[in-house]
Amino acid sequence: GQQVMQIPQYQHVQEGEDFTTYCNSSTTLSNIQWYKQRPGGHPVFLIQLVKSGEVKKQKRLTFQFGEAKKNSSLHITATQTTDVGTYFCAGPVYNQGGKLIFGQGTELSVKP
Amino acid sequence: GAVVSQHPSWVICKSGTSVKIECRSLDFQATTMFWYRQFPKQSLMLMATSNEGSKATYEQGVEKDKFLINHASLTLSTLTVTSAHPEDSSFYICSARVSSGRGDTQYFGPGTRLTVL
Repeated sequence: GQQVMQIPQYQHVQEGEDFTTYCNSSTTLSNIQWYKQRPGGHPVFLIQLVKSGEVKKQKRLTFQFGEAKKNSSLHITATQTTDVGTYFCAGPVYNQGGKLIFGQGTELSVKP
Repeated sequence: GAVVSQHPSWVICKSGTSVKIECRSLDFQATTMFWYRQFPKQSLMLMATSNEGSKATYEQGVEKDKFLINHASLTLSTLTVTSAHPEDSSFYICSARVSSGRGDTQYFGPGTRLTVL
């Protein structure tokens, strides 16, 4: 069945270091979405990428969608303690009315 | 826009009782909502898709008679955990589907922490 894999599972960085999480789908996706979940909180929508090779930036966050539309990455430049949380990628399940399949998430911890 | 609320935010109940969780879209109409559960340090597990005016669609392995879903209006879906047991303790999160020209996204409610004693 359709799968979305995400690595690494955990990442511990020193404040100011960069961070990247990678997402790979077993199937071609119409779009890829990224969510952030703070400890004790709920997933918050960050961005949706649609086009092959698309790159979008949100301040220190850079999102990429691969040319084959099967992989994606989220890169954070110069991490801050406010970046702490779990980052999930998600792709739509084909022909399933808006259902999403989530990656396992990457938990980011930032040491001040 | 696209704000989803959930009530209650946490609930503690005795084993054998039923618990109802409400999910509301506050500033938009949602014909489709989704119910997830999440265990600590794990990803979101989709339980069911809730469609306004029709029966919910349950994922494989989710008991529809135990997790009753009602989507009676375009802004409200409810999940009732019937005869709850300690193994039902979890974080339950709903989301509402939002469609645009770029495709569908989901906006999540704040979640409900259920503890069954």
